[in-house]
Parts: sequence; structure tokens; C-alpha cells
Amino acid sequence: KQEVTQIPAALSVPEGENLVLNCSFTDSAIYNLQWFRQDPGKGLTSLLLIQSSQREQTSGRLNASLDKSSGRSTLYIAASQPGDSATYLCAVNSGGGADGLTFGKGTHLIIQP
Amino acid sequence: DAGITQSPRHKVTETGTPVTLRCHQTENHRYMYWYRQDPGHGLRLIHYSYGVKDTDKGEVSDGYSVSRSKTEDFLLTLESATSSQTSVYFCAINAWGMGQGATSTGELFFGEGSRLTVL
Repeated sequence: KQEVTQIPAALSVPEGENLVLNCSFTDSAIYNLQWFRQDPGKGLTSLLLIQSSQREQTSGRLNASLDKSSGRSTLYIAASQPGDSATYLCAVNSGGGADGLTFGKGTHLIIQP
Repeated sequence: DAGITQSPRHKVTETGTPVTLRCHQTENHRYMYWYRQDPGHGLRLIHYSYGVKDTDKGEVSDGYSVSRSKTEDFLLTLESATSSQTSVYFCAINAWGMGQGATSTGELFFGEGSRLTVL
């Protein structure tokens, strides 16, 4: 059974710092990995989707990497801003769209002004 | 933003009453999911659907039923609500297996959530 772990569970950094959020998974046979952002009281917003054949994806100040062999993905946030404060979740798709999705419990990020 | 609408967004009900949550999509995606999110447990899959009238159970399906009579609508029903079903419920959609000439990316999109309180 796939297990997804996100470390750290919480992180607080000053504005302007570059930071890395980690996601690890136990079974390397995946189709894709997706990073989400969740603001308090809101739904999950898709940030980046990495297919199993890809090594990284970039969107603005965000860069996500994927190393299937080691079971790891990282989300890099450059020049952090207070508006980046949110919970970040990763989800691994191990099997074709249905019950093969496994979520981590998230990293709660606070960017101090 | 993906066209996903959940209703109601907030509901307070009493133990033993039936409750139906609705998820409506405008994307014509094949897969639809119901999750619940609770502190300490993260997101847990309740039921999912891979087409009209095609549904299956997730890891926390006891006490819940679903129906999908049209591509765009996925209903979650609590036949007799209990306090343990107090939670935030999220609908999600996925175009996995669709696309033109190639498997879709499988990107997952979520609704805004329905907060249910069972007293």
C-alpha cells in the first residue's frame, strides 16, 4: 500500500527566503505526482503536476522535482511572500485515476512579513 | 479554475437525519470523487465514480452512499447522519483516461468543500 509522508509538518520562515518542502512515497511505481495548496476554509488548488516520465515542473516561483527511484519529490518556493502562507499537500497517483490516489497530510507554511 | 460546484457549502443537521451533498461539474470529466478531510487524518476517500452509474467504495465508505445518474452530477448521501460524520467534504474530478488521442494528464481538481456539522 502506498504511503506518502510530508516533512516538515509545519514551517515558519521570514519573507524573502527560498524554501523546500518535501514529499516521500514508499512505492516508486507511480503515474504522476501533484502538489496542491490549501488556504484555510478553502478547497485544494492544483499547483504542479509531474508525470512519471518527467523530472521537474516549473510555474512562476514554484519548482517541483521528482525522483521516482528514491521515492521523493520536492517543492521549491523562491523568494517567499506572506501570500504563500498556506498548507501544501502532495498526492501520488499509483494506479490509473481511481483509488490509486494517496495524499500526504501536508506542510503548514507560514511566511512572516 | 475547473468548473466544480458543491452544494450546500454549509449545513448543520441533527443525528439521524438524512443528508445529501451534491457535486456538479461542467468539465465532462470521467472520474469524480468524494473525500472527507479531518484534522489528523488528512484527506480520505469515501466513494468514487468512473462513469455514469459506475461507482465504487473508498477507504471510509461505511455510512455513505453515492449516485451518478448524469456525467455532471455526483451525489453523496448520508442515510442517517451521525456525529462522527461531522467533517468537511470535498468533491474532486479527474480526466484520467480521456483526451484526444492520448491519455489525459490525470490532473485532479477540487471543489470548495461542504462543511457538515451533525449535532
